[in-house]
Amino acid sequence: SAVISQKPSRDICQRGTSLTIQCQVDSQVTMMFWYRQQPGQSLTLIATANQGSEATYESGFVIDKFPISRPNLTFSTLTVSNMSPEDSSIYLCSVLPVYSNYGYTFGSGTRLTVV
Amino acid sequence: DQQVKQNSPSLSVQEGRISILNCDYTNSMFDYFLWYKKYPAEGPTFLISISSIKDKNEDGRFTVFLNKSAKHLSLHIVPSQPGDSAVYFCAASVATSGSRLTFGEGTQLTVNP
Repeated sequence: SAVISQKPSRDICQRGTSLTIQCQVDSQVTMMFWYRQQPGQSLTLIATANQGSEATYESGFVIDKFPISRPNLTFSTLTVSNMSPEDSSIYLCSVLPVYSNYGYTFGSGTRLTVV
Repeated sequence: DQQVKQNSPSLSVQEGRISILNCDYTNSMFDYFLWYKKYPAEGPTFLISISSIKDKNEDGRFTVFLNKSAKHLSLHIVPSQPGDSAVYFCAASVATSGSRLTFGEGTQLTVNP
């Protein structure tokens, strides 16, 4: 299965600043996604990262707040912009390998605390 | 609108006994269901899945049952082991390749030695 390297694993940030999270996969994947897990809640899809074009955002998430890049088939970044304490969450990268329709693989996540 | 619900936030069982985790869904378009296990400080790990054309899928100690009429699925773990202690997420999708997953809130399973 695909191996995902997600960085940083955790960070504590000041409100008003931005953090960029990186997701690197060791093999080509068809789909890359970014999820958020707020404390005590489920995983919520933020957006689908599209290679070479703008990401597709879910309802309630906007590009200005969560800009996403995907320059190639194996790498994506998510930026959490102008952070507030409400952005404190675990952010997870997820991929769908080319050989699997439903073997979504998740990174280990980035635990973000905004103070 | 919570389309996938896990009504039990936690479950505690004795080692060797059966663990039953439940999941309900409201969207009748869902036709593929998955269970993920998540340990602290790790990402969710795929456990088992089931297509809506089946009502049961088994993989070792793990069995998933699907009741389409009731829009309900369950995960059975027999026998339960302390290493099974984790948060279990139910997820659902519409069966087109690469379709987005909708997750439940998760159930914290604790297996006591």
